[in-house]
Amino acid sequence: GESVGLHLPTLSVQEGDNSIINCAYSNSASDYFIWYKQESGKGPQFIIDIRSNMDKRQGQRVTVLLNKTVKHLSLQIAATQPGDSAVYFCAESTGGGNKLTFGTGTQLKVEL
Amino acid sequence: GAVVSQHPSRVICKSGTSVKIECRSLDFQATTMFWYRQFPKQSLMLMATSNEGSKATYEQGVEKDKFLINHASLTLSTLTVTSAHPEDSSFYICSASPSGGGNYEQYFGPGTRLTVT
Repeated sequence: GESVGLHLPTLSVQEGDNSIINCAYSNSASDYFIWYKQESGKGPQFIIDIRSNMDKRQGQRVTVLLNKTVKHLSLQIAATQPGDSAVYFCAESTGGGNKLTFGTGTQLKVEL
Repeated sequence: GAVVSQHPSRVICKSGTSVKIECRSLDFQATTMFWYRQFPKQSLMLMATSNEGSKATYEQGVEKDKFLINHASLTLSTLTVTSAHPEDSSFYICSASPSGGGNYEQYFGPGTRLTVT
């Protein structure tokens, strides 16, 4: 199984700044990627997704960038707010199915 | 729309007992549901894929006789942790894919915190 450390990587940002959360994925055949936000004690909440035939997709205050050459995904959050504080996971899917593989997660802390 | 509920939200049980967790899609039908386990400060690990009317598909390393999954209707899947032990204490999360929906649609429940004493 996946080996994951006991401490999530943490990103601390000032309120109002932009945040960039990075994710390295493992399967070059993955064709769909999603970013989820998880608040403490809750299930994951969908933020934004991107298919492998795209390299950028924008939502409301969020942008996802995909670099298939280096198997890297990033989530950019503009004007970060205290309510954005949570753990963020990237997930990948392969071959048109729903089965998701989650990344290790990043704890985002927004400082006032 | 697309709400998934789990019951109970928290459960404490004694070692050796069994616990059943329910996952319901409230406003859509779900042919496929997924069960994940999440340990503190770790990622979600897929345990099994549950298909309505058929046997669940378990991920490598997950004991199917210990984690019994039943998906008897298009809106309900259950996970039973049999003979629970303290190491089974975890956050269990389900997700559901709408029948006839896009290939990648998946909605997550709020999770169930299991503590085995």
